[in-house]
Amino acid sequence: KAGVTQTPRYLIKTRGQQVTLSCSPISGHRSVSWYQQTPGQGLQFLFEYFSETQRNKGNFPGRFSGRQFSNSRSEMNVSTLELGDSALYLCASSLLDRATEAFFGQGTRLTVV
Amino acid sequence: QKEVEQNSGPLSVPEGAIASLNCTYSDRVSQSFFWYRQYSGKSPELIMSIYSNGDKEDGRFTAQLNKASQYVSLLIRDSQPSDSATYLCAGPSGAGSYQLTFGKGTKLSVIP
Repeated sequence: KAGVTQTPRYLIKTRGQQVTLSCSPISGHRSVSWYQQTPGQGLQFLFEYFSETQRNKGNFPGRFSGRQFSNSRSEMNVSTLELGDSALYLCASSLLDRATEAFFGQGTRLTVV
Repeated sequence: QKEVEQNSGPLSVPEGAIASLNCTYSDRVSQSFFWYRQYSGKSPELIMSIYSNGDKEDGRFTAQLNKASQYVSLLIRDSQPSDSATYLCAGPSGAGSYQLTFGKGTKLSVIP
């Protein structure tokens, strides 16, 4: 059974640009969550989607957005990139529609220069 | 948002010893907790789930949940150098919540 797939694995962007990250959950999983991980802040929750609906959003500026498609694949977008957006972005998928076991993808390492 | 806090570490133990990792949480209603292992440069990997009071054993790993005291722990017996990683505990952000809240992690080093 394939795991969570995130693409791309690495990205280098310039300040002011925008970026789109993709996540394909485990087959049959309908919940997808996104996290930002930095050395100082740990894992910070960005948002969670279930059946194409965003149910929770973390404390991030509106530059961070996401969506989920009917096949449960999800994308997140960051516009007007700032240096502080450099981080590991992780996607996790869950089978059930409540906070339960979540399985992470390998992450996308974003560097903003 | 409910809090999940871990003893900050880092924690060093000799090979073969028992490593004890602890986590406290603020939400009395939370029913389930999870332990993740994250190697440097990698993503978190789920290693233990615990849904009820008491102990749950899986190989060298034992997760303990004490709802009355609001703490959850992970014991690693016969620690190996390959266990050296950061361990994250996670629990629901609240009753019926759709999201997990993670502790900041405890870095474990197993010294050969």
